[in-house]
Amino acid sequence: GESVGLHLPTLSVQEGDNSIINCAYSNSASDYFIWYKQESGKGPQFIIDIRSNMDKRQGQRVTVLLNKTVKHLSLQIAATQPGDSAVYFCAETGGSNYKLTFGKGTLLTVNP
Amino acid sequence: EADIYQTPRYLVIGTGKKITLECSQTMGHDKMYWYQQDPGMELHLIHYSYGVNSTEKGDLSSESTVSRIRTEHFPLTLESARPSHTSQYLCASRSGQETQYFGPGTRLLVL
Repeated sequence: GESVGLHLPTLSVQEGDNSIINCAYSNSASDYFIWYKQESGKGPQFIIDIRSNMDKRQGQRVTVLLNKTVKHLSLQIAATQPGDSAVYFCAETGGSNYKLTFGKGTLLTVNP
Repeated sequence: EADIYQTPRYLVIGTGKKITLECSQTMGHDKMYWYQQDPGMELHLIHYSYGVNSTEKGDLSSESTVSRIRTEHFPLTLESARPSHTSQYLCASRSGQETQYFGPGTRLLVL
């Protein structure tokens, strides 16, 4: 089909290293943020979320950091594994009650 | 694990055919969405619904149409498929201000 938009930025890391994927958002009214992981040929899978009243949230091997001052969201993956290779999308409410605004995505490649 | 399903998973069809992509969720979510995504590219919202009998156009213009007659069902229809419709179509659902869950997607190839 007709391609719309830009190809994704990429991040390449060695197995066992920590990965940091960044996302900038523009709407100061956003109050809920989500990180998704999308493996090739699959739908996006929920990883972790954070609300605007928090600045850090931890899951299993993942941490999300929210800096509302500079409108920046990051996903940290500890001890990155080959199975973490995927495209990672951030999403925000963007002040809407009905739909999320998605970032462009980052392709993470983990080298063994 | 999200209970949202899409059928078919893969579809190869000739130009001019009418197709319907099915999406169902068993979570009772009020909001449902259709996204179009080309390989290695961004997600583009093409339709959404915030409840039964509501449908809205998304951010990316699409020749497809949708309906929402039941809470759990949000089918997408292309009246006359064209090669430019070749893409992956992702359905998603959400309740209130909570997490949005995606289905596995339908890969459509129009010859």
